[in-house]
Amino acid sequence: VQLVQSGAEVKKPGESLKISCKGSGYRFTTYWIGWVRQMPGKGLEWMGIIYPADSDTIYSPSFQGQVTISADKSISTAYLQWSSLKASDTAIYYCSRHYGDSSSSIDYWGQGTLVTVSS
Amino acid sequence: QSVLTQPPSVSAAPGQKVTISCSGSSPNIGNNYVSWYQQLRGAAPKLLIYDNSKRPSGIPDRFSGSKSGSSATLVITGLQTGDEADYYCGTWDSSLSARVFGGGTKLTVL
Repeated sequence: VQLVQSGAEVKKPGESLKISCKGSGYRFTTYWIGWVRQMPGKGLEWMGIIYPADSDTIYSPSFQGQVTISADKSISTAYLQWSSLKASDTAIYYCSRHYGDSSSSIDYWGQGTLVTVSS
Repeated sequence: QSVLTQPPSVSAAPGQKVTISCSGSSPNIGNNYVSWYQQLRGAAPKLLIYDNSKRPSGIPDRFSGSKSGSSATLVITGLQTGDEADYYCGTWDSSLSARVFGGGTKLTVL
């Protein structure tokens, strides 16, 4: 199993952004895949997940309406998208796979994508 | 403020044993499985324990987990300098309908 994320990004406040995570080595459509935020020097925050087979999506209440999680099952890739970035979005974002149903543990992690938002 | 409470730091000497606690409540730890993750400095987290006490393939039996009521515990025996890392507990919270993590515990091997 591998989750390979897109590279680091430097953006200005108000800009949009979409980062990606390509899954390989397993059947992409039948595992929940999602995103975890880690702000500088801080802990892990679960953002939400998507089931690629039918695009069913669950967001953490803390991130609902702030980001969009999507997936393209034809290319085994999940996405995390912002329409208008803020400086407080500066963080490392990890892609993660859940081994079972939506409430199950994360078993694999991507390498992380550093997003820096600064004017 | 994290939903799950962990001590900010723990320390022990090489070869010794350390215990890391994770305290929650009925909607999260009390009624759902707990997992534990190790995050080495500058790296992505790695799964150590899932379903309260199961170890993924490749995780040494020096790492063990348990759960009682609304609390969980990670025990690391035979400490090595390479175990220095941040450790996080995580579980599903049925009232939030979201996965939650503890604030993390920094392990120092003296």
